[in-house]
Amino acid sequence: DADVTQTPRNRITKTGKRIMLECSQTKGHDRMYWYRQDPGLGLRLIYYSFDVKDINKGEISDGYSVSRQAQAKFSLSLESAIPNQTALYFCATSDFRGQAGNEQFFGPGTRLTVL
Amino acid sequence: DAKTTQPTSMDCAEGRAANLPCNHSTISGNEYVYWYRQIHSQGPQYIIHGLKNNETNEMASLIITEDRKSSTLILPHATLRDTAVYYCIVRPLTSGSRLTFGEGTQLTVNP
Repeated sequence: DADVTQTPRNRITKTGKRIMLECSQTKGHDRMYWYRQDPGLGLRLIYYSFDVKDINKGEISDGYSVSRQAQAKFSLSLESAIPNQTALYFCATSDFRGQAGNEQFFGPGTRLTVL
Repeated sequence: DAKTTQPTSMDCAEGRAANLPCNHSTISGNEYVYWYRQIHSQGPQYIIHGLKNNETNEMASLIITEDRKSSTLILPHATLRDTAVYYCIVRPLTSGSRLTFGEGTQLTVNP
């Protein structure tokens, strides 16, 4: 979905390096999420945010941190990258409307390789 | 969130209906059934959701059994572009919008 963009799209880095993945959205949604996907597996939630400055841990937050300084931007950081963080990372947004129909819209993904 | 069970893979001929089943026998009364799909290495795409009534939109139909223990996603006229992994997800309204993705069903539409 072109309304949710991720940068970079591909990144190769070395163990121990600090990496930041950026997500921007023009949908005006309050909620944003970071997921990772490993080969052959479903997506796992890393962090999510319901509003600016609101941060919540997902199921696999260890080794990651996030920042939500503006409604449209949600960045994911790997403070010291390790090889098992090699994965496909997705950002998503949703607009809470008080019903279960608050589907999530996903970005195109960032493929991260940690050597 | 309730656990779901889906077949690992399915095949369908182009132009025919694709019927993707999902079992969610432990679903609770406040949990909705969602379907997403993921075309190879792209971001997942929302398809449809429902609580207990059958639902239809421009992409698909969702049939939920009366006891809500299973559902079927129907793509009425499958095309090659519908080849993707389809995820059935069950979650309550108050889950904080978290989506728990399982392994899904790889649907292959053949010419």
